[in-house]
Amino acid sequence: GESVGLHLPTLSVQEGDNSIINCAYSNSASDYFIWYKQESGKGPQFIIDIRSNMDKRQGQRVTVLLNKTVKHLSLQIAATQPGDSAVYFCAGLLAGAGSYQLTFGKGTKLSVIP
Amino acid sequence: DVKVTQSSRYLVKRTGEKVFLECVQDMDHENMFWYRQDPGLGLRLIYFSYDVKMKEKGDIPEGYSVSREKKERFSLILESASTNQTSMYLCASSLTAEAFFGQGTRLTVV
Repeated sequence: GESVGLHLPTLSVQEGDNSIINCAYSNSASDYFIWYKQESGKGPQFIIDIRSNMDKRQGQRVTVLLNKTVKHLSLQIAATQPGDSAVYFCAGLLAGAGSYQLTFGKGTKLSVIP
Repeated sequence: DVKVTQSSRYLVKRTGEKVFLECVQDMDHENMFWYRQDPGLGLRLIYFSYDVKMKEKGDIPEGYSVSREKKERFSLILESASTNQTSMYLCASSLTAEAFFGQGTRLTVV
């Protein structure tokens, strides 16, 4: 994500509704795009990734969409639950010779309203 | 389960001190990373390493150095701590695209 300014974007969603978290990226050379979830007091945790040559990938309750034309990535969470409350980061991954370099966006805070 | 362990959860150091942040992973991963996380700025890459004794600068290496003498251990060094290095520091390791993070070290420099 490329949020401007020091304020963390926030999204409030009613429990049971679907959530959509958006991310814009600048580096078209990224080989993968990845979503991470960070709960309070913990390190980021991998959710799902998508190769740069794909448009859509589905996991359990999550779907990632990639639109390379407009350099946009989204994470959709179905039937959002209180346990989904966290900060979500998108990241671009550049794979070199035997190495992987992750560049993170600034994050979006998801709050689930019971 | 992959485990990435950072030696301290909370650390308070004085300006000018030399600070060592240690990170150990138990999954024989080639790649290890140090990030700092600040409100509104997300995670910014300080240094990474893709092999023993190899290191590469990330986006904000100034004021930091690293050491990777063994595959499982990646140390971040603040040669002379300054107040603007007060932050949450996150270590990660990876073999492929999926990175595994430690719980973080919250460093306060006074």
